[in-house]
Amino acid sequence: DTGVSQDPRHKITKRGQNVTFRCDPISEHNRLYWYRQTLGQGPEFLTYFQNEAQLEKSRLLSDRFSAERPKGSFSTLEIQRTEQGDSAMYLCASRPGDTQYFGPGTRLTVL
Amino acid sequence: DQQVKQNSPSLSVQEGRISILNCDYTNSMFDYFLWYKKYPAEGPTFLISISSIKDKNEDGRFTVFLNKSAKHLSLHIVPSQPGDSAVYFCAATLNNNDMRFGAGTRLTVKP
Repeated sequence: DTGVSQDPRHKITKRGQNVTFRCDPISEHNRLYWYRQTLGQGPEFLTYFQNEAQLEKSRLLSDRFSAERPKGSFSTLEIQRTEQGDSAMYLCASRPGDTQYFGPGTRLTVL
Repeated sequence: DQQVKQNSPSLSVQEGRISILNCDYTNSMFDYFLWYKKYPAEGPTFLISISSIKDKNEDGRFTVFLNKSAKHLSLHIVPSQPGDSAVYFCAATLNNNDMRFGAGTRLTVKP
């Protein structure tokens, strides 16, 4: 296991469509995080899981967003009825302790 | 609320010289600070960290300094190399919870 992986790396969709991203964390990392990054900004926290439990959600996570980690391993982030403002890089990170290790991200473009 | 700030969007230095990247924070409760480096089309890569109980941490060419009274930390890179050219993000965390990131500083090291 070489690190956090995310799929797809790029996604182009039309406004109003639903999209789902997947994150596979580093094995045995029990904490998994989702961030969103827009141009010129640092990553912004969206939500995190301790094993399969979703422990915290940011105000940025509107009701169109849902995240799951059903078996405490991989996680999915779904965005329903996408809007142009959802265009961003979506980053996943996992951590065993203080340090987070990021995946390469999924770049979403909403046309 | 931007609790972590990087006020310099860019920095340019000559190869071999020192690069100093700065970061300010507003929440005195943060207990752990990290620096990440990001290349285009990749996720952030962990670089170095420091606990709030320390004022300096060194790892090879990279040193992070923490001034808690000023709520300021800095990353020193000596000597700077062209391969260090990237965007550097400062991050802070509290009680192992979600990380807050600055907006990043783009470092360019000229040969």
